[in-house]
Amino acid sequence: DSGVTQTPKHLITATGQRVTLRCSPRSGDLSVYWYQQSLDQGLQFLIQYYNGEERAKGNILERFSAQQFPDLHSELNLSSLELGDSALYFCASSAHDTQYFGPGTRLTVL
Amino acid sequence: QKEVEQDPGPLSVPEGAIVSLNCTYSNSAFQYFMWYRQYSRKGPELLMYTYSSGNKEDGRFTAQVDKSSKYISLFIRDSQPSDSATYLCAMSGDAGGTSYGKLTFGQGTILTVHP
Repeated sequence: DSGVTQTPKHLITATGQRVTLRCSPRSGDLSVYWYQQSLDQGLQFLIQYYNGEERAKGNILERFSAQQFPDLHSELNLSSLELGDSALYFCASSAHDTQYFGPGTRLTVL
Repeated sequence: QKEVEQDPGPLSVPEGAIVSLNCTYSNSAFQYFMWYRQYSRKGPELLMYTYSSGNKEDGRFTAQVDKSSKYISLFIRDSQPSDSATYLCAMSGDAGGTSYGKLTFGQGTILTVHP
């Protein structure tokens, strides 16, 4: 157990819908990262937050957004969902040099 | 061309074998190198972490980094069926704490260790 929690574990929704994925980092970690894992693209970095502020962006679609709250938990919002958004979404947190991953949320868009 | 290349395998070995997993990369800014293990449908689990060039050993696992060749390796000695998983190499140019520590991953190598 990495200490990073993610909810929900599974999400099934329809195209065009909007969903919110939630992540709680390890106790004391200020940085939160979001990654998307798909069969064809592998694990891809989406976005990083540090103590409530956005720090780095990867190839995150404009339909996706994230935020980190004062209690340091983070949410990833995915809107206007498409079939191709079906993937595993992971959150990771870090205090220094290493990132610890949560168990992921499996999103299926039908 | 991808920044990090990793042979996806699959790799199948008998129990007790020495396993060698490798990644090459093109971005000379990478300084931090990691290996993660991922069991099916689970989150990646950090196995090894190395800064810059050199070797690091932890039990049955040895990580090697050769920055001059842009090549990293993970060796698993006395492999066990419980080692069966996908192994992902990952790299970053900055520490993950306060800087831009995004990780760039290889595609992952699927390893099966059979009894």
